Amino acid sequence: RKEVEQDPGPFNVPEGATVAFNCTYSNSASQSFFWYRQDCRKEPKLLMSVYSSGNEDGRFTAQLNRASQYISLLIRDSKLSDSATYLCVVSSGGSNYKLTFGKGTLLTVNP
Amino acid sequence: NAGVTQTPKFQVLKTGQSMTLQCAQDMNHNSMYWYRQDPGMGLRLIYYSASEGTTDKGEVPNGYNVSRLNKREFSLRLESAAPSQTSVYFCASSEWRGGEQYFGPGTRLTVT
Repeated sequence: RKEVEQDPGPFNVPEGATVAFNCTYSNSASQSFFWYRQDCRKEPKLLMSVYSSGNEDGRFTAQLNRASQYISLLIRDSKLSDSATYLCVVSSGGSNYKLTFGKGTLLTVNP
Repeated sequence: NAGVTQTPKFQVLKTGQSMTLQCAQDMNHNSMYWYRQDPGMGLRLIYYSASEGTTDKGEVPNGYNVSRLNKREFSLRLESAAPSQTSVYFCASSEWRGGEQYFGPGTRLTVT
């Protein structure tokens, strides 16, 4: 299994749709989890940190399942401005610190 | 606050030339990072500095050196550039190692 693996995409959805991204990770010792978004030719920007209990920020909901080593991001009521690449990021702590980015999933929201 | 700033934004080098990429943050963060991003490869960590005075290798450190000049600044040096180092380089910072990272706008480097 790859260290961090995301849905390959791309996703094309109409405005107003609900879309879900999935991400799996291989290191069971991973400690921190994040979703970033990256617009074309721009830097990644933090979208959400992912907590064990799951968390919601407006139209965005993130879930973590440690037993299955799985993270998800749900976007409700998609907007044109949600079009971007979504990156799943996993951090392992301890002496062998490592932050691993998934390759990203491209989302295009169409009018 | 400017957040994380990087210079230059673009650079073209010939094989064998050297250069230093500069990064500064004004968020009083302890940890700083350098990444490269290549098509189809995702972001890969080159070096990081967990705190002022320390630096550690990441996933792809060969061909690079870093200096944590002070708490604000973290530079990346290419001593002898190679075409394989053509990439987009991002600097990032976080309050602590493993925390939420904030990225600079990137440097687009081409080595011919």
